[in-house]
Amino acid sequence: SQQGEEDPQALSIQEGENATMNCSYKTSINNLQWYRQNSGRGLVHLILIRSNEREKHSGRLRVTLDTSKKSSSLLITASRAADTASYFCATGFSSGGYNKLIFGAGTRLAVHP
Amino acid sequence: DAGVIQSPRHEVTEMGQEVTLRCKPISGHNSLFWYRQTMMRGLELLIYFNNNVPIDDSGMPEDRFSAKMPNASFSTLKIQPSEPRDSAVYFCASSSGQRNEQFFGPGTRLTVL
Repeated sequence: SQQGEEDPQALSIQEGENATMNCSYKTSINNLQWYRQNSGRGLVHLILIRSNEREKHSGRLRVTLDTSKKSSSLLITASRAADTASYFCATGFSSGGYNKLIFGAGTRLAVHP
Repeated sequence: DAGVIQSPRHEVTEMGQEVTLRCKPISGHNSLFWYRQTMMRGLELLIYFNNNVPIDDSGMPEDRFSAKMPNASFSTLKIQPSEPRDSAVYFCASSSGQRNEQFFGPGTRLTVL
């Protein structure tokens, strides 16, 4: 079963606009990660935020984590057509002494020139 | 670094045939994961290995699926006999014990007729 659920399922914006994607999860986590998947390709890691962190930045990406609400958001600022992809959140937690990731269903982002 | 290598990239087979998917993780990574991605079920973790040992195979759908990791640089996922509902994209990913992010291969698109 999926741990993380992304919202919205699909997002369509114009180049230059900001894109915000949300992720909710159910159980305690060690960290939360965001990945991008271009059509026909494998997933690419974007950013990791630990459970004791509240906000993290990487270039045009900003991730927030609210463990009390069990939710995270990914903000892409000044979007570009090349940002068109599916974005997945993945919750990292310990299982049997090992690190495990469970992926959500993803948000399909379309950025129009 | 060549990244995670998967072969074949595409596989078309007939129901009942045996299918073997192959993966070479990134050198030095000690964890390896097999995922299946479909439109209906999203990205599902099938099995993961740590130091070549299977840790959690609870995601393996049926006895028709088996996975091995005979050494640190090679893993296989076998489906025998294959069924049309096995059609999906199968991803292999690897990670280092020091970091939790996973590096994905390009995937194998399997079509079972």
